[in-house]
Amino acid sequence: GAGVSQSPRYKVTKRGQDVALRCDPISGHVSLYWYRQALGQGPEFLTYFNYEAQQDKSGLPNDRFSAERPEGSISTLTIQRTEQRDSAMYRCASKRDLGIYNEQFFGPGTRLTVL
Amino acid sequence: QQQVKQSPQSLIVQKGGIPIINCAYENTAFDYFPWYQQFPGKGPALLIAIRPDVSEKKEGRFTISFNKSAKQFSLHIMDSQPGDSATYFCAASSRGKLIFGQGTELSVKP
Repeated sequence: GAGVSQSPRYKVTKRGQDVALRCDPISGHVSLYWYRQALGQGPEFLTYFNYEAQQDKSGLPNDRFSAERPEGSISTLTIQRTEQRDSAMYRCASKRDLGIYNEQFFGPGTRLTVL
Repeated sequence: QQQVKQSPQSLIVQKGGIPIINCAYENTAFDYFPWYQQFPGKGPALLIAIRPDVSEKKEGRFTISFNKSAKQFSLHIMDSQPGDSATYFCAASSRGKLIFGQGTELSVKP
C-alpha cells in the first residue's frame, strides 16, 4: 500500500511568510509524528498526535510553530512569520497503533528554504 | 537527559568488514531502542530494534548489543556490503516519541 506522503516536497519562501506543510499518514495509522532534520543530523522531535489529539508539543521551537490533525488523519504543520533558521527538512512519520514497540514509518519530507 | 550520543560520526570499512556504531543515553525511562537506516534523498527506515529487557538481538547480518547498566547500545553489521553504505541513526523512545542520535555515515568499499 501507499506509504506516508508529504506535500509539498520542496518549499521556498521569503522571510516573514507563513507556510503550511502537509502530512498524509498511512491509512488507518493512529499516531502521527513531526520531526525536523537539519543536514547531517538526526531527526529532532517536534510534536505528535494520537488520533486527533495532540499528545506532546514539547519539541516545537516557539509559538510560531503549530500543528493540527483535526480528523485524526491528515496533519498540517504551520510555521508563521518564517525565519531563515527555520530552513530544514521537515519529516512526518506514522505508527499503526498506540503500542510503544511499533515502527514509525517516515515520509519523504518537505525541504523548506527560507530566503 | 533526553540526548542520545552516537559515535563515530563517519566510518569507512572494506567489504566483508564488521562496522560497529555505538550509542549512549542518560534517561532510564527510555523503553525502546530502534536503529534507522537512511539513504540519500530518502526518509529513515527501521532496520532493527531492541527492548531494554534483552541484551542482544540479531536479524540477518545486523545485531544490536544492549548494556542496560552502562546505558549503552551498539549496532554491528556482519559481512558488510557496498549496499550497506548509508547513514545510520540510533534512537531511544520515551512515551512514543523518538530521540535520535547524530548519525553515522557508513561507507563500505568494494
